[in-house]
Amino acid sequence: DAGVIQSPRHEVTEMGQEVTLRCKPISGHDYLFWYRQTMMRGLELLIYFNNNVPIDDSGMPEDRFSAKMPNASFSTLKIQPSEPRDSAVYFCASRYSGTGVEQYFGPGTRLTVT
Amino acid sequence: AQTVTQSQPEMSVQEAETVTLSCTYDTSESDYYLFWYKQPPSRQMILVIRQEAYKQQNATENRFSVNFQKAAKSFSLKISDSQLGDAAMYFCAYRSAGRQLTFGSGTQLTVLP
Repeated sequence: DAGVIQSPRHEVTEMGQEVTLRCKPISGHDYLFWYRQTMMRGLELLIYFNNNVPIDDSGMPEDRFSAKMPNASFSTLKIQPSEPRDSAVYFCASRYSGTGVEQYFGPGTRLTVT
Repeated sequence: AQTVTQSQPEMSVQEAETVTLSCTYDTSESDYYLFWYKQPPSRQMILVIRQEAYKQQNATENRFSVNFQKAAKSFSLKISDSQLGDAAMYFCAYRSAGRQLTFGSGTQLTVLP
């Protein structure tokens, strides 16, 4: 079975540009999470969805960040405009609420904003 | 609020030896889950082992086992017969019913040949 898929794996962009990160959760999973990992703050939960509906976006740092989940197999995290302090590794993860308690992570997207 | 504390930022172990990574957590919940995730240099977050709070028996997955002390709110990970491939950052994580994962700050494990 394919795991959580994220693209791109690496993104380098200039300050002020729009950045879109993509995620495909594991088929059948009804929860999707976006995390950010930095040395200073560790792993932070940005937002999560249940059945494509955003449930808690209290971790989104500011209005420059937005996330969507138009269907059960696709989600995006957008940063507009990007700033150097947004440089981090962004993870997508998914979970099935039925029989499992584990959360499975994608490989992450390393974002560098210059 | 739930917190997860990993007091050892770095640990090292000789290949084939045993090492224990510590984790404590703070919660008022009775129903929850605990996890250990491994993050190698590839940065992929890999689930190593999980423990349900209602189970008294400690979880085991091959060379990985936990020592779960519910009253002490302690959840340590023991790695036996350490291998070079075990070198990674290890994160302890907690989740109660209806809530999402809270991670510790991580322990960087080095395996010495």
